[in-house]
Amino acid sequence: RKEVEQDPGPFNVPEGATVAFNCTYSNSASQSFFWYRQDCRKEPKLLMSVYSSGNEDGRFTAQLNRASQYISLLIRDSKLSDSATYLCVVNENTDKLIFGTGTRLQVFP
Amino acid sequence: DAGVIQSPRHEVTEMGQEVTLRCKPISGHDYLFWYRQTMMRGLELLIYFNNNVPIDDSGMPEDRFSAKMPNASFSTLKIQPSEPRDSAVYFCASSTITEAFFGQGTRLTVV
Repeated sequence: RKEVEQDPGPFNVPEGATVAFNCTYSNSASQSFFWYRQDCRKEPKLLMSVYSSGNEDGRFTAQLNRASQYISLLIRDSKLSDSATYLCVVNENTDKLIFGTGTRLQVFP
Repeated sequence: DAGVIQSPRHEVTEMGQEVTLRCKPISGHDYLFWYRQTMMRGLELLIYFNNNVPIDDSGMPEDRFSAKMPNASFSTLKIQPSEPRDSAVYFCASSTITEAFFGQGTRLTVV
């Protein structure tokens, strides 16, 4: 089983839609979790950290479920500019950052 | 700070040649990571360092790959000899506990 798994997509959604991605991780000792965004032919950049209590940043909401070992990212009111690949990242207790292969989102007009 | 700096940005080389990728991390970051990204396999961790010491190199594909970090401000990833299947984008990232910052990557093509 892969350490971090994501549905590769693509998710094709119209502007204004709500879309959600899930990511599962295999190491129950994982300490911290993140979502990164990667635009085409660019480097990944931190979108948001994921806290146990869940956290929200504008249209973006991230949640963590330790019991089921998954994290989620919800995007409300999708914009064309949200089109990108979203990478789930898990920081294991050795401080090793493990990336999922990413979920591609395409928002259309 | 200029961020993580990688060089070269693009490299085209012939099969069998030695390739050296370079990375300058952000000053003060304790961790440095080397990743490889392909369409088929996504972003794969090759090796990472903590305070210049290699911690985990289990992702290094084979003996043709080697990485060094002689000091806190410089790291190299070397492929010798290179093969066409090494073609990918290679990212270097440096991090604090809470966030990793990536360089712009080196796009390697081995023909």
